[in-house]
Amino acid sequence: GAGVSQSPSNKVTEKGKDVELRCDPISGHTALYWYRQSLGQGLEFLIYFQGNSAPDKSGLPSDRFSAERTGGSVSTLTIQRTQQEDSAVYLCASSFGRGGLYEQYFGPGTRLTVT
Amino acid sequence: KNEVEQSPQNLTAQEGEFITINCSYSVGISALHWLQQHPGGGIVSLFMLSSGKKKHGRLIATINIQEKHSSLHITASHPRDSAVYICAARNYGGSQGNLIFGKGTKLSVKP
Repeated sequence: GAGVSQSPSNKVTEKGKDVELRCDPISGHTALYWYRQSLGQGLEFLIYFQGNSAPDKSGLPSDRFSAERTGGSVSTLTIQRTQQEDSAVYLCASSFGRGGLYEQYFGPGTRLTVT
Repeated sequence: KNEVEQSPQNLTAQEGEFITINCSYSVGISALHWLQQHPGGGIVSLFMLSSGKKKHGRLIATINIQEKHSSLHITASHPRDSAVYICAARNYGGSQGNLIFGKGTKLSVKP
């Protein structure tokens, strides 16, 4: 079946612009995660959605970052007023059940470059 | 000190060698994940375990809860195993979904 998909695969934007990154999780997966991987760095948790519960936003680095998940499926990560330090690969993952307790399936990522 | 530590940071092996990558954590966990990140960037989940041992093909993952330590073993290594291997802990007392990641072990298997 279809895996986790993300779009766009690459995004180049000017400093100060807003960007939206999209994630389509595997159908039926109730948990959805956003991570960030800066160049040469490890994975960094950003936000987690579980069903209809309030999202865990504890990893968002600033209030310029926000995410929503509509209808328990597709998620959009929005970065407002982008800065150069936002340049990274943004990864989305989904899993069948409660966060961290089930295998996660990762999307291919969106490479964001802020110039 | 990071809550999840991996060793070694880099590892070069000859094809056919037995490989061990270690992961130690300082927090109580409810689950531990091993991930593989290919040179192209794609990430694949290898194992999720909370006790004992799991095996999939040439890969074996073990965890010792008392010692707060997990190992990933690769038997009969092959150049296609070259990747970054990442350990991630689901903190028992932490917020749900918030995995704590190790910095990864970069493995290079030479033919």
